[in-house]
Amino acid sequence: EVQLVQSGTEVKKPGESLKISCEASGYTFSTYWIGWVRQMPGKGLEWMGMTYPGDSDTRYSPSLQGQVTISADKSISTAYLQWSSLKASDTAMYYCARRRGSWEYYFDYWGQGTLVTVSS
Amino acid sequence: EIVLTQSPGTLSVSPGERATLSCRASQSLSSSYLAWYQQKPGQAPRLLIYGASSRATGIPDRFSGSGSGTDFTLTISRLEPEDFAVYYCQQYGRSPTWTFGQGTKVEIK
Repeated sequence: EVQLVQSGTEVKKPGESLKISCEASGYTFSTYWIGWVRQMPGKGLEWMGMTYPGDSDTRYSPSLQGQVTISADKSISTAYLQWSSLKASDTAMYYCARRRGSWEYYFDYWGQGTLVTVSS
Repeated sequence: EIVLTQSPGTLSVSPGERATLSCRASQSLSSSYLAWYQQKPGQAPRLLIYGASSRATGIPDRFSGSGSGTDFTLTISRLEPEDFAVYYCQQYGRSPTWTFGQGTKVEIK
């Protein structure tokens, strides 16, 4: 059974760094793209970027390029989303999601979400 | 960049009735690039439809997708209590990028 299990709720202060994780199981991690999707409070879904663990190819949404770093460690089947300096506007729920295949254009499995709150 | 516009913003429907949700793209896109998701409060999104009209594994046949070019539709033939949720369309664009519509909330009338 495919599962994506995300790390727990985070409460941080502006300017702090953060790295959240998404541990995959039930499939060959290195052969599927993993993406991250942001959902700000009361808002819709926003694709942030994705990475291919097999060769570390990573793509970002143009609007978020440079603001976050997406990576993966295929030895432990885990993807990451990290910030070097959080802002209050980073407060959101973050989901990881698996892209079905390199020639498929949708996300078939999702993590349960990680809530990040940034407040002074 | 292709923008997806969903309508209506909120749809009030009685259980057992039919719901029709629209997703309009600002430019023509391949049907292969269009998907629909359902999100219930406090839960992650769930894939319903991919390739504009193919149901994902385990999705009941009361859910159907159709459309091409710039106009796509998600239809729920007979609403069950568990279908009241927010629905998002999503498209793939070259670069690559993925964008979502702003969502349609289906609420109990």
